[in-house]
Amino acid sequence: AQKVTQAQTEISVVEKEDVTLDCVYETRDTTYYLFWYKQPPSGELVFLIRRNSFDEQNEISGRYSWNFQKSTSSFNFTITASQVVDSAVYFCALIRRRNNAGNMLTFGGGTRLMVKP
Amino acid sequence: DSGVTQTPKHLITATGQRVTLRCSPRSGDLSVYWYQQSLDQGLQFLIQYYNGEERAKGNILERFSAQQFPDLHSELNLSSLELGDSALYFCASSQRQGGSNYGYTFGSGTRLTVV
Repeated sequence: AQKVTQAQTEISVVEKEDVTLDCVYETRDTTYYLFWYKQPPSGELVFLIRRNSFDEQNEISGRYSWNFQKSTSSFNFTITASQVVDSAVYFCALIRRRNNAGNMLTFGGGTRLMVKP
Repeated sequence: DSGVTQTPKHLITATGQRVTLRCSPRSGDLSVYWYQQSLDQGLQFLIQYYNGEERAKGNILERFSAQQFPDLHSELNLSSLELGDSALYFCASSQRQGGSNYGYTFGSGTRLTVV
């Protein structure tokens, strides 16, 4: 069984602060993918990043960065210099690296980020 | 535009009624997944279809059913609706039945309100 835990249900920061969203996962598989999705107030799920379990390199995309640590089963997401537009619910998710039936994304409970001006 | 189309975007209906949610997958994708997002349950997997056949079931109630048609669009049927069925229902699609290589592409969701 797989499990994704986002212990922070809600975070509030002031604009320009840095913020890190935590994600811890459990899986028995050695090969898997990890994802982050953003859900703005409008409701849609926006894909942010996919990480292969073999690739532990950290990734930076603009103000966003991701820290993948297999040793601690964590895949944390940092927003640098946060902006009001970053206010959303962020989901971490995991999927096994298989193409057989029944392999589906398992989501964490989400972290609601509120960035105040 | 993700390429996955869900209709309607919003739906308000009364308890006891039946509704149908529709999903058109991204061009070339054979697999369709349905997820329910309610306030207290988070994103829960309901059911998966691949090329017209049911492939996996999650926490889907017996009052709910789905199918995937030859043109690959899918419909989620919700019957005997209860207040607790109010949620955002997402459809997602992927090329293969496992969906692992690229994850899924999500539609924008159908917000169902049961009154």
